[in-house]
Amino acid sequence: DAGVIQSPRHEVTEMGQEVTLRCKPISGHDYLFWYRQTMMRGLELLIYFNNNVPIDDSGMPEDRFSAKMPNASFSTLKIQPSEPRDSAVYFCASSQDSNYGYTFGSGTRLTVV
Amino acid sequence: AQSVTQPDIHITVSEGASLELRCNYSYGATPYLFWYVQSPGQGLQLLLKYFSGDTLVQGIKGFEAEFKRSQSSFNLRKPSVHWSDAAEYFCAVGEGDDKIIFGKGTRLHILP
Repeated sequence: DAGVIQSPRHEVTEMGQEVTLRCKPISGHDYLFWYRQTMMRGLELLIYFNNNVPIDDSGMPEDRFSAKMPNASFSTLKIQPSEPRDSAVYFCASSQDSNYGYTFGSGTRLTVV
Repeated sequence: AQSVTQPDIHITVSEGASLELRCNYSYGATPYLFWYVQSPGQGLQLLLKYFSGDTLVQGIKGFEAEFKRSQSSFNLRKPSVHWSDAAEYFCAVGEGDDKIIFGKGTRLHILP
């Protein structure tokens, strides 16, 4: 099993540009979570899906952020337009059961200049 | 609302010494409790978890944690640390509705 796969590993973009982060969860995992990690705020849950359906997006900072899960093997997190304060490491995690414990991807380090 | 507190932002111990990282939670019922480790540039890796039963939980890499309901604590321990244990450690609590809330983390430094 290759684990949770995120791409790209690093992304540098200019303010105002659209950014798309990608995640492939572990096969058979019904839950998918998007987290953002910064020094100031730690790990923040942005949104999570169960069986491809968004369950809770209350952590999404604002309308510039959107996430989709068109099928069980793929999810995207999009920021449009991006701002410097969006700079962070974005993690995707998946789980068989919500309280089983998550498997995290290696993250995408986003820098908005 | 549930919360997780890791009171120590940084901990420094000598290689071979014992380790205890503190974690306190706030939750009304019996929580699901986790410890994760994050090495630089990596995602979080699950060390151990507590759901019910024996309050002393064994994990990977020689770590263990003890759930103490009376103290609302779930401290992580290791009898003898290795230089490779230097990382950031996160305590987390699940409230049974799918979400897990993470503490702010404790960064462990190892002296040779």
